[in-house]
Amino acid sequence: LAKTTQPISMDSYEGQEVNITCSHNNIATNDYITWYQQFPSQGPRFIIQGYKTKVTNEVASLFIPADRKSSTLSLPRVSLSDTAVYYCLVGPSGGYQKVTFGTGTKLQVIP
Amino acid sequence: KAGVTQTPRYLIKTRGQQVTLSCSPISGHRSVSWYQQTPGQGLQFLFEYFSETQRNKGNFPGRFSGRQFSNSRSEMNVSTLELGDSALYLCASSLTGTEAADTQYFGPGTRLTVL
Repeated sequence: LAKTTQPISMDSYEGQEVNITCSHNNIATNDYITWYQQFPSQGPRFIIQGYKTKVTNEVASLFIPADRKSSTLSLPRVSLSDTAVYYCLVGPSGGYQKVTFGTGTKLQVIP
Repeated sequence: KAGVTQTPRYLIKTRGQQVTLSCSPISGHRSVSWYQQTPGQGLQFLFEYFSETQRNKGNFPGRFSGRQFSNSRSEMNVSTLELGDSALYLCASSLTGTEAADTQYFGPGTRLTVL
């Protein structure tokens, strides 16, 4: 199983850049890295996905080093509405039954 | 494009009853997966359907079952409800469920409370 490890929680002030790192030492060659955001009692919302190097979209950037054993989600200038749990997933080569959601990182944005 | 929809959004049942939850995937998506989310266990994979067939199954008892229709819509059923089945049930759809860059998109979930 593609196991991931993330910090349990992080605090940040509004307007700052937040970087959340995820460790995935046993990532498979065909696995992609996907990040989701989840608010309480809602389904996870897709943020960004990448395979290697850097990916950027309108809400975040994803940095993946050459060995792909970790990845970093970067949220520029966070606001209070970014307070949520962020999950890092690797997969789905082999099917979604092999993808595990870890504990996620609870990001608290402080005014 | 409309997102994944789930009905109902909230349900209250009593122990021993059964419940059916419904999921409509994003148009064109053929893979539908179901997850259970609880504070203690986090997000856990229940099963996945593709082309009306259960393709993968998580580690849940047989009381949890599902099906998929020809239009890719899916239902999951839980029989003989237990207090521990209280959870947020999430449905997610993707194009194929197996391609390397396949992305799952989640619905809003159904909050089930068992009394």
